[in-house]
Amino acid sequence: GAVVSQHPSWVICKSGTSVKIECRSLDFQATTMFWYRQFPKQSLMLMATSNEGSKATYEQGVEKDKFLINHASLTLSTLTVTSAHPEDSSFYICSAREGEGIPYEQYFGPGTRLTVT
Amino acid sequence: QKEVEQDPGPLSVPEGAIVSLNCTYSNSAFQYFMWYRQYSRKGPELLMYTYSSGNKEDGRFTAQVDKSSKYISLFIRDSQPSDSATYLCAMTLSGGYNKLIFGAGTRLAVHP
Repeated sequence: GAVVSQHPSWVICKSGTSVKIECRSLDFQATTMFWYRQFPKQSLMLMATSNEGSKATYEQGVEKDKFLINHASLTLSTLTVTSAHPEDSSFYICSAREGEGIPYEQYFGPGTRLTVT
Repeated sequence: QKEVEQDPGPLSVPEGAIVSLNCTYSNSAFQYFMWYRQYSRKGPELLMYTYSSGNKEDGRFTAQVDKSSKYISLFIRDSQPSDSATYLCAMTLSGGYNKLIFGAGTRLAVHP
């Protein structure tokens, strides 16, 4: 099956610093990648959708300048949380889809837990 | 009102029980209905999907969609401790680029 990896799996950073999270599709080319955020005991909230080579589309209420998304290749997308604050502490999950796929053919990464102190 | 409503639980059942998980939704245009299983601190994994109405069975799992009532269900037969996880329903419109709308997830604990 399709595999999506994320790195790092857990990161702790100090308030005011930036942190980068990588999302890779290991065995397929992902023309579309999605970034989600999940607070404890809550559902996944879509933050943005990125297509390879173009700017990401952000959901309403998500700050573009704070959550920088780059989808530079068909196998790699990155999410950079800039000037992180404790309220940015959350579980960040990416997913990837190959081509104009069927909606359920979206494969999720294992997630990255971000703790901002 | 949320587009997708799902009781967060927790739901605790004995091993071997039949588990019923449910979601309701408000957008009658949803066409694809998915169930994901998420273990603690892991990403979701797709369990089952259904297109439009009807039932679908896969081993111990059965997914049902009732579009007239805007209600979907996942049944787990002969539940096992390894089924203990959070179950998320998700749905979307037809078409490849439509985003998934998730329910809050129901935490299930199956005890021996």
